[in-house]
Amino acid sequence: EAGVAQSPRYKIIEKRQSVAFWCNPISGHATLYWYQQILGQGPKLLIQFQNNGVVDDSQLPKDRFSAERLKGVDSTLKIQPAKLEDSAVYLCASSLGPNTGELFFGEGSRLTVL
Amino acid sequence: AQRVTQPEKLLSVFKGAPVELKCNYSYSGSPELFWYVQYSRQRLQLLLRHISRESIKGFTADLNKGETSFHLKKPFAQEEDSAMYYCALSVSSGSARQLTFGSGTQLTVLP
Repeated sequence: EAGVAQSPRYKIIEKRQSVAFWCNPISGHATLYWYQQILGQGPKLLIQFQNNGVVDDSQLPKDRFSAERLKGVDSTLKIQPAKLEDSAVYLCASSLGPNTGELFFGEGSRLTVL
Repeated sequence: AQRVTQPEKLLSVFKGAPVELKCNYSYSGSPELFWYVQYSRQRLQLLLRHISRESIKGFTADLNKGETSFHLKKPFAQEEDSAMYYCALSVSSGSARQLTFGSGTQLTVLP
């Protein structure tokens, strides 16, 4: 079974530039999550999708972050404009449904904002 | 709001010694707790969950509601147990459940 795929693995940008991350979940997983993990901290949930609808985006900084999951499969997370404090690993995860604590994570996309 | 606390950022033990990774939580409802592990150069993965009361790779964790704790234990640590361990709390959030992670404990098992 293929795991959660993410790209790019690494990205370096300057502040005020934009960046986009892509995620392909495990086939058949209806729920998709984006987490932000700042160095030295645990993952923090940014947004949770159930199929192509948003279930929870209460911790997403909506002035600069956006995410979509068209057709209920792949997802894209965008940051525009980026700030220095956005430097982090962005983790995508998926699960069979919204009421499980068993998440399957991708390898993450490491963003450095200079 | 829910919160997960892992008081130790770093923990070192010798091979064959017992190990305990501490986790405390705050949540007013009925909690579901998990331990996730990230080995070097691997992705974050589920280790065990309190509901199943299982032992995985020799690790166990018991939910203590009185002390609001979910400590991870292993009687005899092995070098391959060296990894980053995260405690996580799943709580109801609208029509779904939200998973909140602690800040993690880096376990090093010395030879």
